[in-house]
Amino acid sequence: GESVGLHLPTLSVQEGDNSIINCAYSNSASDYFIWYKQESGKGPQFIIDIRSNMDKRQGQRVTVLLNKTVKHLSLQIAATQPGDSAVYFCAENGEGFQKLVFGTGTRLLVSP
Amino acid sequence: GAGVSQTPSNKVTEKGKYVELRCDPISGHTALYWYRQSLGQGPEFLIYFQGTGAADDSGLPNDRFFAVRPEGSVSTLKIQRTERGDSAVYLCASSALAAVTGELFFGEGSRLTVL
Repeated sequence: GESVGLHLPTLSVQEGDNSIINCAYSNSASDYFIWYKQESGKGPQFIIDIRSNMDKRQGQRVTVLLNKTVKHLSLQIAATQPGDSAVYFCAENGEGFQKLVFGTGTRLLVSP
Repeated sequence: GAGVSQTPSNKVTEKGKYVELRCDPISGHTALYWYRQSLGQGPEFLIYFQGTGAADDSGLPNDRFFAVRPEGSVSTLKIQRTERGDSAVYLCASSALAAVTGELFFGEGSRLTVL
């Protein structure tokens, strides 16, 4: 079936560095993508989304880039802080908004 | 409450037993979702309610799983004859606008362990 995957299972960075988390998707029908952050013992928390008619969207300290040609999605976090340590999931709506398909996740570890 | 509330937070049961997991969504949210998350994996869709009706239950793995939302607010996920493979965190989410954005508000989940 269609799936969303991540290239790096764990990313370790120093506080203050910029972080880039990558995601590959395979469902060409997907036109909406979301990044979620999940801290230990908690549910996923919405970070930022992007529609397929855009290739870049910025939020507070976060930027999502979408490359539809190669079906690639990335999340950039500027000036990474220890509080950013969590697992990050990308998700797509290939089968409908109510039926998001989540990737496996990337663990971000931020060292002070 | 302010967020999505799920009870119990932890449930340990024996194989073959029946379990119920409860979700209390954010007040006023008409859409409610159940996802299941296995260790080290992303959440996997189970079922979606719009109001009282299950609009999409295609993610339920088999007929041992059933969910209800009789009054369009609280939902209960029911699992019959539990199996060890059912062990996971069951996440509930709600949203105010269905099928518009992916901004789902998740609860902290109910961790189910089947011995």
